[in-house]
Amino acid sequence: SAVISQKPSRDICQRGTSLTIQCQVDSQVTMMFWYRQQPGQSLTLIATANQGSEATYESGFVIDKFPISRPNLTFSTLTVSNMSPEDSSIYLCSVVEGAQYFGPGTRLLVL
Amino acid sequence: AQKITQTQPGMFVQEKEAVTLDCTYDTSDPSYGLFWYKQPSSGEMIFLIYQGSYDQQNATEGRYSLNFQKARKSANLVISASQLGDSAMYFCAMTGDMRFGAGTRLTVKP
Repeated sequence: SAVISQKPSRDICQRGTSLTIQCQVDSQVTMMFWYRQQPGQSLTLIATANQGSEATYESGFVIDKFPISRPNLTFSTLTVSNMSPEDSSIYLCSVVEGAQYFGPGTRLLVL
Repeated sequence: AQKITQTQPGMFVQEKEAVTLDCTYDTSDPSYGLFWYKQPSSGEMIFLIYQGSYDQQNATEGRYSLNFQKARKSANLVISASQLGDSAMYFCAMTGDMRFGAGTRLTVKP
């Protein structure tokens, strides 16, 4: 199974600022997925990131707010831009290698 | 579009008893897969079990088994011999759209 790490594990940010979350996988994978889990809610897919192409965003999510980079087959970043308290969530990256595996998540609190 | 439904917001079970968590789905894809995940209070998503739509037998992984009824479009998770450590949120998910159900909070009572 894929081993996924995320940085930072948690952060507290001021509104209006931006945070970049890093996701590292221990194997090469074609697609990486970014999810958001708001407090008490299920996971919501933000976007799918393929190496060498633009990320594909789900309805309700836009590139200006959540820019994603995918420079190689083992790494991706998600930036949460111009943050507001509504962005307070757990952000998880995920890959599919047989089953779907998740990183440990980044807990973000926006004040 | 695909749809995943978990109708039980919360479930209680006595320690050492079995419990079934419901999951129904809707898809037009002829080939698909269904996953179950456990999310303890720490927040990590732990993969439990996978069922492919063409698998002949129901999936089992230790104390976890999947009651897959294709005609009814249901993929219920059965946890046998519940333990206190099983208390967590449980999510059902489907391949394709990579979407998740709303989740069920399981509480195991001593």
